[in-house]
Amino acid sequence: GQSLEQPSEVTAVEGAIVQINCTYQTSGFYGLSWYQQHDGGAPTFLSYNALDGLEETGRFSSFLSRSDSYGYLLLQELQMKDSASYFCAARPGGNEKLTFGTGTRLTIIP
Amino acid sequence: GAGVSQSPSNKVTEKGKDVELRCDPISGHTALYWYRQRLGQGLEFLIYFQGNSAPDKSGLPSDRFSAERTGESVSTLTIQRTQQEDSAVYLCASSLGALQETQYFGPGTRLLVL
Repeated sequence: GQSLEQPSEVTAVEGAIVQINCTYQTSGFYGLSWYQQHDGGAPTFLSYNALDGLEETGRFSSFLSRSDSYGYLLLQELQMKDSASYFCAARPGGNEKLTFGTGTRLTIIP
Repeated sequence: GAGVSQSPSNKVTEKGKDVELRCDPISGHTALYWYRQRLGQGLEFLIYFQGNSAPDKSGLPSDRFSAERTGESVSTLTIQRTQQEDSAVYLCASSLGALQETQYFGPGTRLLVL
């Protein structure tokens, strides 16, 4: 099977930096995606890492290490609107459906 | 262009009734997914359609759940003999193709079974 584990909750201060981790166990692996979901809203795509290393998109960056089966989402210059749930997702080899992680609820405090 | 749309946005039903949920994917998207999300929980995969291939039904929780898709357009998710445990948000997502990493989600249908 496949599983992606994330911390259930993270709290961070407005203006600071926070890292949300994702560790995975899959039968195969095509890369790691990240999605954001605000309360009552639908998930929206943030980033995708096909290769090891850091991908940067504005205030958000995502990192992947295949050898460690590990990735993270880095949010900088945190804003109150970043309070949301964040999900990592991966596509196991030989299976085309995306499997989502357990999700991390991020709370930003003033 | 229009995004993924779902209807109804909210549905309240009585235990034992059948419900039908609809999803209109983005035009040209060949892949379509259904997920279930209980309050405060993660995304639970239900079913996946890709083009004309046989759907991946491995996530359907019981035989009360079924889904159809007409070509590469509209999909309907049907829940028969609803149970209170079926109460959740049902999300539909589409993507350009099988291995496209970006899924576009609809706003979801909030189902409440009394």
